[in-house]
Amino acid sequence: KAGVTQTPRYLIKTRGQQVTLSCSPISGHRSVSWYQQTPGQGLQFLFEYFSETQRNKGNFPGRFSGRQFSNSRSEMNVSTLELGDSALYLCASSLAPRGITDTQYFGPGTRLTVL
Amino acid sequence: TQLLEQSPQFLSIQEGENLTVYCNSSSVFSSLQWYRQEPGEGPVLLVTVVTGGEVKKLKRLTFQFGDARKDSSLHITAAQPGDTGLYLCAGVNNNDMRFGAGTRLTVKP
Repeated sequence: KAGVTQTPRYLIKTRGQQVTLSCSPISGHRSVSWYQQTPGQGLQFLFEYFSETQRNKGNFPGRFSGRQFSNSRSEMNVSTLELGDSALYLCASSLAPRGITDTQYFGPGTRLTVL
Repeated sequence: TQLLEQSPQFLSIQEGENLTVYCNSSSVFSSLQWYRQEPGEGPVLLVTVVTGGEVKKLKRLTFQFGDARKDSSLHITAAQPGDTGLYLCAGVNNNDMRFGAGTRLTVKP
């Protein structure tokens, strides 16, 4: 079956702009989690959606938001971009909610560069 | 401060050598997962360990979960260039999971 897909793969934006990233989970998976990965901080959890409801949220400012659609596809939005938002943004899907021992399948990520 | 501390941060070895990487925490986890991430890709789950003291083997990779379920190690025997990548551990507890910053392994031919 098809894996997790993320679009776009690469994105360059300038400070102050906003950006929307998209994630399509594996068919049948209802949980989508978003992570920010940077060399200094590693993988940091942003939020998780399960059946269109935000189930968990990490310690990120309100500029980071997300949503999930009825087909389980998810989007995350970052408003008023800052230089420090440059990172690889990963989404992961799973059958069960995150944190319940289950396999998370990661997408290849969107590399966001903020100039 | 990382909830999970991984060491070493970087490791560069020659093909055929053995190595061990560590994942330590002051917290107890119900389970711990190891992932490998290759350049341009997302992390891929290698193993989940659940029981304190558990040892799991995956070909040349041996994973151990500490007796107290606070730490874990990954040992690779006779490393190959294909083992190159970022190794991440993730602790699962209370419907939450946290990742370490990873060990970046380079195996030179």
